[in-house]
Amino acid sequence: DIQMTQSPSSLSASVGDRVTLTCQASQDISNFLNWYQQKPGKAPKLLIYDASNLETGVPSRFSGSGSGTDFTLTISSLQPEDIATYYCQQYADFLFTFGGGTKVEIK
Amino acid sequence: EVQLLESGGGLVQPGGSLRLSCAASGFIFNNYAMSWVRQAPGKGLEWVSSISDSGSSTYFTDSVKGRFTISRDNSKNTLFLQMNSLRGEDTAIYYCAKDLIVGATIFGSWGQGTLVTVSS
Repeated sequence: DIQMTQSPSSLSASVGDRVTLTCQASQDISNFLNWYQQKPGKAPKLLIYDASNLETGVPSRFSGSGSGTDFTLTISSLQPEDIATYYCQQYADFLFTFGGGTKVEIK
Repeated sequence: EVQLLESGGGLVQPGGSLRLSCAASGFIFNNYAMSWVRQAPGKGLEWVSSISDSGSSTYFTDSVKGRFTISRDNSKNTLFLQMNSLRGEDTAIYYCAKDLIVGATIFGSWGQGTLVTVSS
């Protein structure tokens, strides 16, 4: 099974800060990596697919990069509405595992 | 607009069964694979099961193999999850999700979820 490890598990940053979240796969997953945002009490929402493609309607301050085993989600200028937990998910094999999540808070 | 509406959750005793449904609208249902993803209270997301567009192929996470069955009725635009031999660790919000594009397991749309509680 492919394991997905996200770091940090939580972070606190100021409005306007550049924030970088990381996701590491236990083996090469090419670019089969998606990022989701989940706000408290809500269903998850797709942000980035195939490592770097921005889903329609998602603000351009979100971007994704990486391939193989190491991936990043960057928020170029953190906004109050970005407070959420972010999850990565791989689909390189038929066990579509999620990472443990990174909780983003405002300092 | 894609809409996914789950139902069927509730309180069930350990060893019991439940059948979840997900009513889909706003897209051509039989063109897309569908999935169930769950979230235990205060925990992260866990993929549970997926089914191909035709229903001919199904996939399960190891912890539910042999206990859960996924199916779909393309004539009624509905996805199902039959859950048997339920355990406490199955307690979670269960979301149904639609692939963003054909052939790629990218969860592009999600329902609001239905809560399953397994407890005596």
